[in-house]
Amino acid sequence: TQLLEQSPQFLSIQEGENLTVYCNSSSVFSSLQWYRQEPGEGPVLLVTVVTGGEVKKLKRLTFQFGDARKDSSLHITAAQPGDTGLYLCVLWRTGNNRKLIWGLGTSLAVNP
Amino acid sequence: KAGVTQTPRYLIKTRGQQVTLSCSPISGHRSVSWYQQTPGQGLQFLFEYFSETQRNKGNFPGRFSGRQFSNSRSEMNVSTLELGDSALYLCASSGYRDTSAANVLTFGAGSRLTVL
Repeated sequence: TQLLEQSPQFLSIQEGENLTVYCNSSSVFSSLQWYRQEPGEGPVLLVTVVTGGEVKKLKRLTFQFGDARKDSSLHITAAQPGDTGLYLCVLWRTGNNRKLIWGLGTSLAVNP
Repeated sequence: KAGVTQTPRYLIKTRGQQVTLSCSPISGHRSVSWYQQTPGQGLQFLFEYFSETQRNKGNFPGRFSGRQFSNSRSEMNVSTLELGDSALYLCASSGYRDTSAANVLTFGAGSRLTVL
Protein backbone atom coordinates (compact mmCIF):
# COMPACT_ATOMS: atom_id res chain seq x y z
CA THR A 1 0.00 0.00 0.00
CA GLN A 2 1.47 3.31 -1.10
CA LEU A 3 0.88 5.66 1.81
CA LEU A 4 2.52 8.63 0.16
CA GLU A 5 1.87 9.96 -3.31
CA GLN A 6 3.80 12.60 -5.18
CA SER A 7 2.47 14.37 -8.24
CA PRO A 8 3.13 14.91 -10.96
CA GLN A 9 5.53 12.06 -11.55
CA PHE A 10 7.33 13.88 -14.36
CA LEU A 11 7.45 17.56 -15.26
CA SER A 12 9.30 19.26 -18.09
CA ILE A 13 9.16 23.04 -18.29
CA GLN A 14 10.98 25.99 -19.79
CA GLU A 15 13.32 28.22 -17.85
CA GLY A 16 11.42 31.06 -16.17
CA GLU A 17 8.16 29.16 -15.65
CA ASN A 18 6.57 28.56 -12.26
CA LEU A 19 5.59 25.12 -11.00
CA THR A 20 4.08 23.34 -8.04
CA VAL A 21 4.58 19.72 -7.01
CA TYR A 22 2.58 17.89 -4.38
CA CYS A 23 3.05 15.30 -1.71
CA ASN A 24 -0.08 13.64 -0.26
CA SER A 25 -0.47 11.07 2.47
CA SER A 26 -3.36 8.99 3.78
CA SER A 27 -1.98 9.32 7.32
CA VAL A 28 -0.96 12.09 9.66
CA PHE A 29 2.74 12.31 10.33
CA SER A 30 4.90 14.22 12.76
CA SER A 31 6.94 16.09 10.19
CA LEU A 32 7.88 16.19 6.56
CA GLN A 33 11.05 16.81 4.65
CA TRP A 34 11.77 17.66 1.02
CA TYR A 35 14.97 16.49 -0.64
CA ARG A 36 16.37 17.12 -4.12
CA GLN A 37 18.41 14.46 -5.87
CA GLU A 38 20.51 15.35 -8.90
CA PRO A 39 21.63 12.69 -11.38
CA GLY A 40 24.48 10.60 -10.02
CA GLU A 41 24.16 12.02 -6.53
CA GLY A 42 22.36 11.25 -3.30
CA PRO A 43 19.37 13.30 -2.08
CA VAL A 44 20.11 16.63 -0.40
CA LEU A 45 17.83 18.05 2.28
CA LEU A 46 15.97 21.22 1.28
CA VAL A 47 13.61 21.79 4.21
CA THR A 48 11.90 20.26 7.24
CA VAL A 49 8.34 21.30 8.14
CA VAL A 50 6.73 20.36 11.41
CA THR A 51 3.73 22.55 12.14
CA GLY A 52 0.42 22.22 10.29
CA GLY A 53 -0.03 25.21 7.98
CA GLU A 54 3.66 26.05 8.15
CA VAL A 55 5.19 27.87 5.18
CA LYS A 56 8.92 28.08 4.57
CA LYS A 57 10.81 29.88 1.84
CA LEU A 58 14.21 29.03 0.44
CA LYS A 59 15.09 31.61 -2.22
CA ARG A 60 12.72 30.80 -5.12
CA LEU A 61 11.31 27.70 -3.40
CA THR A 62 8.21 27.89 -1.18
CA PHE A 63 7.23 24.88 0.93
CA GLN A 64 3.90 24.44 2.67
CA PHE A 65 2.74 21.79 5.14
CA GLY A 66 -0.99 21.16 5.10
CA ASP A 67 -3.12 22.13 8.10
CA ALA A 68 -3.89 18.48 8.83
CA ARG A 69 -0.23 17.48 8.41
CA LYS A 70 -1.10 14.99 5.69
CA ASP A 71 0.06 16.89 2.63
CA SER A 72 2.62 19.35 1.39
CA SER A 73 3.43 21.40 -1.67
CA LEU A 74 6.60 22.79 -3.17
CA HIS A 75 6.32 25.84 -5.40
CA ILE A 76 9.23 27.02 -7.53
CA THR A 77 9.17 30.51 -8.99
CA ALA A 78 11.03 31.32 -12.20
CA ALA A 79 12.56 27.86 -12.54
CA GLN A 80 16.18 27.59 -13.66
CA PRO A 81 18.08 24.67 -15.25
CA GLY A 82 19.86 24.22 -11.92
CA ASP A 83 16.52 23.24 -10.38
CA THR A 84 16.51 20.06 -12.49
CA GLY A 85 16.39 16.92 -10.40
CA LEU A 86 14.23 14.45 -8.53
CA TYR A 87 12.21 16.06 -5.73
CA LEU A 88 11.47 13.63 -2.93
CA CYS A 89 9.26 14.09 0.08
CA VAL A 90 9.53 11.95 3.17
CA LEU A 91 7.14 11.74 6.08
CA TRP A 92 8.43 11.04 9.55
CA ARG A 93 6.47 9.20 12.20
CA THR A 94 8.51 9.86 15.31
CA GLY A 95 8.56 8.02 18.60
CA ASN A 96 9.80 4.61 19.64
CA ASN A 97 8.49 3.04 16.45
CA ARG A 98 10.10 5.67 14.28
CA LYS A 99 9.22 5.26 10.63
CA LEU A 100 9.97 7.10 7.43
CA ILE A 101 7.82 6.92 4.33
CA TRP A 102 9.38 8.12 1.08
CA GLY A 103 7.46 9.22 -1.97
CA LEU A 104 8.54 8.08 -5.43
CA GLY A 105 9.43 11.65 -6.31
CA THR A 106 8.73 14.19 -9.00
CA SER A 107 11.31 14.26 -11.76
CA LEU A 108 11.72 17.87 -12.89
CA ALA A 109 13.51 18.96 -16.05
CA VAL A 110 13.99 22.68 -16.63
CA ASN A 111 15.01 23.40 -20.19
CA PRO A 112 17.07 26.50 -21.05
CA LYS B 1 34.40 18.55 6.34
CA ALA B 2 34.26 15.43 4.15
CA GLY B 3 30.82 14.18 3.20
CA VAL B 4 29.45 10.67 3.23
CA THR B 5 31.66 8.37 1.17
CA GLN B 6 30.34 5.22 -0.45
CA THR B 7 32.44 2.63 -2.21
CA PRO B 8 32.44 1.26 -4.77
CA ARG B 9 30.46 3.71 -6.91
CA TYR B 10 29.67 1.16 -9.60
CA LEU B 11 29.83 -2.60 -9.71
CA ILE B 12 28.57 -5.42 -11.86
CA LYS B 13 27.86 -8.87 -10.45
CA THR B 14 26.20 -12.02 -11.70
CA ARG B 15 23.30 -13.90 -10.15
CA GLY B 16 24.25 -15.97 -7.15
CA GLN B 17 27.27 -13.89 -6.22
CA GLN B 18 27.50 -11.76 -3.13
CA VAL B 19 28.47 -8.12 -2.70
CA THR B 20 29.71 -5.89 0.10
CA LEU B 21 29.16 -2.14 0.02
CA SER B 22 30.90 0.33 2.29
CA CYS B 23 29.83 3.64 3.79
CA SER B 24 31.98 6.13 5.69
CA PRO B 25 29.76 8.68 7.45
CA ILE B 26 30.57 12.29 8.17
CA SER B 27 33.16 12.49 10.92
CA GLY B 28 31.41 12.49 14.26
CA HIS B 29 28.14 11.07 12.94
CA ARG B 30 27.06 7.91 14.72
CA SER B 31 23.85 7.06 12.90
CA VAL B 32 23.97 5.34 9.52
CA SER B 33 21.03 4.14 7.49
CA TRP B 34 20.87 2.29 4.18
CA TYR B 35 18.35 2.54 1.36
CA GLN B 36 17.70 0.78 -1.91
CA GLN B 37 16.52 3.05 -4.72
CA THR B 38 14.85 1.80 -7.89
CA PRO B 39 12.70 3.70 -10.40
CA GLY B 40 9.60 1.67 -9.64
CA GLN B 41 9.83 1.46 -5.85
CA GLY B 42 11.64 4.66 -4.94
CA LEU B 43 13.67 4.68 -1.75
CA GLN B 44 13.16 1.58 0.34
CA PHE B 45 14.59 1.51 3.85
CA LEU B 46 16.98 -1.36 4.54
CA PHE B 47 18.38 -0.81 8.04
CA GLU B 48 19.64 1.76 10.50
CA TYR B 49 22.62 1.52 12.82
CA PHE B 50 23.54 3.66 15.78
CA SER B 51 26.59 3.06 17.92
CA GLU B 52 27.22 -0.34 16.32
CA THR B 53 23.67 -1.58 17.05
CA GLN B 54 20.96 -2.18 14.50
CA ARG B 55 18.06 0.04 15.60
CA ASN B 56 15.62 -0.51 12.77
CA LYS B 57 15.17 -2.90 9.89
CA GLY B 58 13.08 -2.70 6.74
CA ASN B 59 11.16 -5.44 4.98
CA PHE B 60 13.96 -7.07 3.06
CA PRO B 61 14.90 -10.76 3.01
CA GLY B 62 17.68 -12.12 5.16
CA ARG B 63 20.04 -12.01 2.18
CA PHE B 64 20.48 -8.35 3.04
CA SER B 65 22.60 -7.73 6.11
CA GLY B 66 24.68 -4.97 7.56
CA ARG B 67 26.94 -3.96 10.37
CA GLN B 68 28.54 -0.91 11.87
CA PHE B 69 32.04 -0.65 13.24
CA SER B 70 33.33 1.24 16.26
CA ASN B 71 34.46 4.12 14.01
CA SER B 72 30.85 4.38 12.72
CA ARG B 73 31.76 3.09 9.27
CA SER B 74 29.15 0.71 7.99
CA GLU B 75 28.94 -2.11 5.50
CA MET B 76 26.03 -3.86 3.93
CA ASN B 77 26.16 -7.28 2.32
CA VAL B 78 23.84 -8.92 -0.16
CA SER B 79 24.26 -12.64 -0.66
CA THR B 80 22.93 -14.85 -3.46
CA LEU B 81 22.28 -11.90 -5.72
CA GLU B 82 19.13 -11.81 -7.82
CA LEU B 83 18.38 -9.74 -10.92
CA GLY B 84 15.92 -7.67 -8.87
CA ASP B 85 18.71 -6.52 -6.57
CA SER B 86 19.96 -4.20 -9.31
CA ALA B 87 19.59 -0.76 -7.81
CA LEU B 88 21.27 2.30 -6.40
CA TYR B 89 22.19 1.66 -2.77
CA LEU B 90 22.33 4.83 -0.72
CA CYS B 91 23.81 5.39 2.68
CA ALA B 92 22.83 8.32 4.89
CA SER B 93 24.44 9.51 8.07
CA SER B 94 23.08 11.65 10.86
CA GLY B 95 24.83 13.27 13.76
CA TYR B 96 22.22 12.12 16.21
CA ARG B 97 19.27 9.82 16.58
CA ASP B 98 16.43 11.88 17.96
CA THR B 99 13.28 9.78 17.87
CA SER B 100 11.13 12.81 18.72
CA ALA B 101 11.88 14.76 15.56
CA ALA B 102 12.86 14.46 11.92
CA ASN B 103 16.60 14.03 11.68
CA VAL B 104 18.85 15.64 9.09
CA LEU B 105 20.05 12.92 6.75
CA THR B 106 23.21 13.45 4.69
CA PHE B 107 23.43 11.02 1.84
CA GLY B 108 26.36 9.63 -0.05
CA ALA B 109 26.39 9.46 -3.84
CA GLY B 110 25.44 5.79 -3.73
CA SER B 111 26.72 2.49 -5.08
CA ARG B 112 25.16 1.48 -8.38
CA LEU B 113 24.81 -2.32 -8.45
CA THR B 114 23.98 -4.16 -11.65
CA VAL B 115 23.19 -7.87 -11.45
CA LEU B 116 23.43 -9.80 -14.72
